[in-house]
Amino acid sequence: DAGVIQSPRHEVTEMGQEVTLRCKPISGHDYLFWYRQTMMRGLELLIYFNNNVPIDDSGMPEDRFSAKMPNASFSTLKIQPSEPRDSAVYFCASSFGRASQGGYTFGSGTRLTVV
Amino acid sequence: GEDVEQSLFLSVREGDSSVINCTYTDSSSTYLYWYKQEPGAGLQLLTYIFSNMDMKQDQRLTVLLNKKDKHLSLRIADTQTGDSAIYFCAETHSGNTPLVFGKGTRLSVIA
Repeated sequence: DAGVIQSPRHEVTEMGQEVTLRCKPISGHDYLFWYRQTMMRGLELLIYFNNNVPIDDSGMPEDRFSAKMPNASFSTLKIQPSEPRDSAVYFCASSFGRASQGGYTFGSGTRLTVV
Repeated sequence: GEDVEQSLFLSVREGDSSVINCTYTDSSSTYLYWYKQEPGAGLQLLTYIFSNMDMKQDQRLTVLLNKKDKHLSLRIADTQTGDSAIYFCAETHSGNTPLVFGKGTRLSVIA
């Protein structure tokens, strides 16, 4: 398996624009997580899915953020409109089961810069 | 809620041992993990320990768990420059909640 695949690797956009981040989890994994990493806050859990269904989105900062998982092999995180404070590295991770000795497998992340 | 604390920086000389410490608040933690993040990369699972264990060794890595003090440590023997990275401690409660991560410890290895 190629691991968790995220695209794009880097995104630079202007304030007010819509941004869509994409994630392909590992085949067979039934949980998918979106995290945001900043220097100030570290790793924050934004939302997670189980079998394509959103389970907890309490970490989504504002209504400007939305996430979908239309099928087991694809998820998106959308920010509309984007703001400079959204600049961060966004990680997608997947797992088989919520937590176990396998932990989570992380993608390489998308570095978002909003100017 | 759960909280995981780590010191932010550690600097060691090549060949020495590194010890990265972590404290957590959830006494019901079931699995505790150490992840490594190299520059520009995602987090990579290094090792984990189940809460009924005190110690786990895997080649150069030794994990110690003190449940009474809610303290977890990662020892890297014979630290190499390739070990320079950010190390994250994480825990989960009974395997039923998402992993909670610390802010990470940046390890710098001086040649």
